[in-house]
Amino acid sequence: QKEVEQDPGPLSVPEGAIVSLNCTYSNSAFQYFMWYRQYSRKGPELLMYTYSSGNKEDGRFTAQVDKSSKYISLFIRDSQPSDSATYLCATPFSGGYNKLIFGAGTRLAVHP
Amino acid sequence: GAVVSQHPSWVICKSGTSVKIECRSLDFQATTMFWYRQFPKQSLMLMATSNEGSKATYEQGVEKDKFLINHASLTLSTLTVTSAHPEDSSFYICSASKVPGGTEAFFGQGTRLTVV
Repeated sequence: QKEVEQDPGPLSVPEGAIVSLNCTYSNSAFQYFMWYRQYSRKGPELLMYTYSSGNKEDGRFTAQVDKSSKYISLFIRDSQPSDSATYLCATPFSGGYNKLIFGAGTRLAVHP
Repeated sequence: GAVVSQHPSWVICKSGTSVKIECRSLDFQATTMFWYRQFPKQSLMLMATSNEGSKATYEQGVEKDKFLINHASLTLSTLTVTSAHPEDSSFYICSASKVPGGTEAFFGQGTRLTVV
């Protein structure tokens, strides 16, 4: 079993739709979770991070963690074509916040 | 901001040759950098941790003699793929953080290596 599981998609939605991206993880010791966005042939860029359970909102993006079910989500409201990218969830290995375990990444396409 | 730059962005090399990839933190110092590999339609997999002034730490299954890492200064880490073979063709990405244990890793733009 992979430590972080993520459906690779692809996911195709119309502009303006609400997008839900999800990951599950296996290690209950994980507490810090990130969402990265990666455009084609580029390095990932950090979108949001959350610590422990709960929600965090930043503009059109909301990150949610449910530790009881080991489930993390990223919601995108009013999706735009510019949101088309691969979204990766990640969590740190033990011993450092910057050494990351990534999910497979979900490819999202938002069409006009 | 915090900028991490990789060079080259893409490289094609012949089988059996060696290729060096540079990762630079442009506006901050990084005592630790990380090297990842990403195969098409797959996620990033951590290869090794590059420590300034000391030996790199490699993840299980990564050949240290094939992927040589040097972190000679606080702003530069290099990854050399030695005796490259077609199966080494991949997207190599580095990351760095401003301080040890900092909460954000900044990624380079990646280097696409094609071995023919």
